[in-house]
Amino acid sequence: EVQLVQSGAEVKKPGESLKISCKGSGYSFTSYWIGWVRQMPGKGLEWMGIIYPGDSDTRYSPSFQGQVTISADKSISTAYLQWSSLKASDTAMYYCARLSYGGAMFDYWGQGTLVTVSS
Amino acid sequence: NFMLTQPHSVSESPGKTVTISCTGSSGSIASNYVQWYQQRPGSAPTTVIYEDNQRPSGVPDRFSGSIDSSSNSASLTISGLKTEDEADYYCQSYDSSNRGVFGGGTKLTVL
Repeated sequence: EVQLVQSGAEVKKPGESLKISCKGSGYSFTSYWIGWVRQMPGKGLEWMGIIYPGDSDTRYSPSFQGQVTISADKSISTAYLQWSSLKASDTAMYYCARLSYGGAMFDYWGQGTLVTVSS
Repeated sequence: NFMLTQPHSVSESPGKTVTISCTGSSGSIASNYVQWYQQRPGSAPTTVIYEDNQRPSGVPDRFSGSIDSSSNSASLTISGLKTEDEADYYCQSYDSSNRGVFGGGTKLTVL
């Protein structure tokens, strides 16, 4: 069974750093792109970027380029989303999701990680 | 920047048919596949349509997708509406650089 399990909710202060994770199981982790999607409170879905764990090829949406870092450790089948200096506006639910073979749709989603940034 | 525009909300009665549109801002929406995701409150999204008009296994055939190149739009049609279809629906496609883009989402009310 394909599963993506994300790390737990985080509460941080502005300026702090953070790295959240997404562990894949039940499939060949290195053979599928993994993406990250932001959903701010009461708002819609936003495509942040994707990574191919096989070779760490990473592509960012222009809106998120330079704002976050997407990485992966294929030895432990885990993808990451990282901030070096959080802002209050980073408060959101973050989902990881697997791109289907061929890459058109997200076919499996993690449960989401809620990140709250508040002083 | 490429954008996908959806109506903010639609409503319809049980048993009826509803269509949700998704209009591309530039280029041809037919150039890249369109997906449709359903999101119920408090849950992660799930796919109801992929590659313009394909249904994942387990999605009832009440859900269908189409592309209209003349209006540069994609559409999700749900027939035989059920109260369980009440959710937010998002279209998604790709820009000319193959970066993903979501529409703003449409809240479907079944009343």
